[in-house]
Amino acid sequence: AQKVTQAQTEISVVEKEDVTLDCVYETRDTTYYLFWYKQPPSGELVFLIRRNSFDEQNEISGRYSWNFQKSTSSFNFTITASQVVDSAVYFCALSAPSGGYQKVTFGIGTKLQVIP
Amino acid sequence: NAGVTQTPKFRVLKTGQSMTLLCAQDMNHEYMYWYRQDPGMGLRLIHYSVGEGTTAKGEVPDGYNVSRLKKQNFLLGLESAAPSQTSVYFCASSLPYGHEQFFGPGTRLTVL
Repeated sequence: AQKVTQAQTEISVVEKEDVTLDCVYETRDTTYYLFWYKQPPSGELVFLIRRNSFDEQNEISGRYSWNFQKSTSSFNFTITASQVVDSAVYFCALSAPSGGYQKVTFGIGTKLQVIP
Repeated sequence: NAGVTQTPKFRVLKTGQSMTLLCAQDMNHEYMYWYRQDPGMGLRLIHYSVGEGTTAKGEVPDGYNVSRLKKQNFLLGLESAAPSQTSVYFCASSLPYGHEQFFGPGTRLTVL
């Protein structure tokens, strides 16, 4: 069985603050993939990043950074100097083999509100 | 490239009515998925397909049927709609083996 936990259902920050969104996952597989998606108020789902289980390098893309730690089964997402446009629901997802198919499990999402 | 498109964008049904949601992708992806999104529950997989002519049940398949007669299309059917099926439905497609999913814009369905 695989599971993704996003314990923070809603977070509010003031613009320019840094914020970290937590993601904890469970899987018995040694090969798996982790993802973050963004869902802005307009409703579409946008892919942000993909990580495989063998690559624990942290990644930085502009104001976004991701910290993958296998030892704690976590894949956390940090936004530096948050902006109002970052207001969205963010989903963490796990993809792992299941019956010849890559099963994808999403967390329930973290709603981030950035207050101007 | 249009990516993933969904038809219709909005629909209101009465209990017991039937309808079909159409998903189309132009990226030649093997995998396609149907999800429903409900408040506080994230995205839940209804059905998925790993190739033309194949479909399989996801986490919440009851009350839905699907077909994938062509690689680029994935249809989701509701034979007898119930108020519990009021939701936002998302279609997605991807390459195999853990690649990211590309999502359609969603269909907001209300069942009265």
